[in-house]
Amino acid sequence: QITLKESGPTLVKPTQTLTLTCTFSGFSLSTTGVGVGWIRQPPGKALEWLALIYWDDDKRYSPSLKSRLTITKDTSKNQVVLTMTNMDPVDTATYHCAHRGWSSPAFDFWGQGTLVTVSS
Amino acid sequence: QSALTQPASVSGSPGQSITISCTGTSSDVGGYNYVSWYQHHPGKAPKLMIYDVSDRPSGVSNRFSGSKSGNRASLTISGLQAEDEADYYCSSYTSSNTWVFGGGTKLTVL
Repeated sequence: QITLKESGPTLVKPTQTLTLTCTFSGFSLSTTGVGVGWIRQPPGKALEWLALIYWDDDKRYSPSLKSRLTITKDTSKNQVVLTMTNMDPVDTATYHCAHRGWSSPAFDFWGQGTLVTVSS
Repeated sequence: QSALTQPASVSGSPGQSITISCTGTSSDVGGYNYVSWYQHHPGKAPKLMIYDVSDRPSGVSNRFSGSKSGNRASLTISGLQAEDEADYYCSSYTSSNTWVFGGGTKLTVL
């Protein structure tokens, strides 16, 4: 059974750096084809894909946020970490991590998400 | 990359069928058979309903079906049930090896 859970601060100040951790179980991020992605949803708005890291450490980023994002993995800990620099109130959102299976680019398992509020 | 275009809302009565459209470009929806659809009840984790345009994950009702023509994909829900009321999002893999989501559609079961 695949599960993912996001953790991190619930409140960050403008200009600070956000660090979120996705802790997962039920799969290995060393399995060929597998990836873990991050997707966010501002209150009342749509889902927005942010980044993804593959089993081979290949990394993909949203073009509009690429300069602010870094995604890394710790396979031994079953964790993926996303950092986002220079946070702004418009970055207030629920941040989800999700599993990308080996056979399709779809995100087949998602974490419930963690709400991050950016405010001074 | 621009978000895929979905209608803001659709509605239907129990037992009816509805279709949600998702329009992209030749760089995403039209270029790959990698469109997926997600059901999202607020406060819960999004759930994959359709992947690779028309495939259903194990456990998803066969009342949900997907299709694609050109740059436009569609999700059809037949035999509407009250539990289907949720937000629905399409997503596509892109030519830049990234992902893009649609703006979301709120389904109301009357």
